[in-house]
Amino acid sequence: DAKTTQPTSMDCAEGRAANLPCNHSTISGNEYVYWYRQIHSQGPQYIIHGLKNNETNEMASLIITEDRKSSTLILPHATLRDTAVYYCIVRRYPQGGSEKLVFGKGTKLTVNP
Amino acid sequence: NAGVMQNPRHLVRRRGQEARLRCSPMKGHSHVYWYRQLPEEGLKFMVYLQKENIIDESGMPKERFSAEFPKEGPSILRIQQVVRGDSAAYFCASSTTGLDTEAFFGQGTRLTVV
Repeated sequence: DAKTTQPTSMDCAEGRAANLPCNHSTISGNEYVYWYRQIHSQGPQYIIHGLKNNETNEMASLIITEDRKSSTLILPHATLRDTAVYYCIVRRYPQGGSEKLVFGKGTKLTVNP
Repeated sequence: NAGVMQNPRHLVRRRGQEARLRCSPMKGHSHVYWYRQLPEEGLKFMVYLQKENIIDESGMPKERFSAEFPKEGPSILRIQQVVRGDSAAYFCASSTTGLDTEAFFGQGTRLTVV
């Protein structure tokens, strides 16, 4: 089962920042927070991931709280093409290997003109 | 560097036939993951493979489904004696070994059983 809780849906105006929250209160020390999105049944697209520090790349920023129990994905200037289902996933790294991504229901983000 | 390649993109099979789905991981990636997405549903994990080894097949149906990732060539997801309920999108992802790596997905194979 997914270890995260996300709102079912959100709306955002085009050009504004989209802030997508995620709760992962049972996260453990060797688990990373990953974000993916799926645009209209295409293959899931990697966005960003982090352990405990805030991260930023060309797509988004990831803000992780100090206790690591929640995080927020920020799309700084949302466009219509950002309309998608966004998945927040915690992923464990056992010694010497990696682990599958377990997808929950995600947040359906709709960017409105 | 080409992304994860899946083929065919669309596959139509009659009930009882076999379906073979192929996944070529990104260059340098030795881990492959298969997922299934039924219409209007979420992504469900099926199997995780490394070269020549099945690491986690906890999501694979016990019958008719099998997967391999040989030393050379693509990973294959094989569905024998397909039924209408197998109609779905099948996605493959690949990643490298080690900590702090991301997995990249292909565009999927849409299987339709008629």
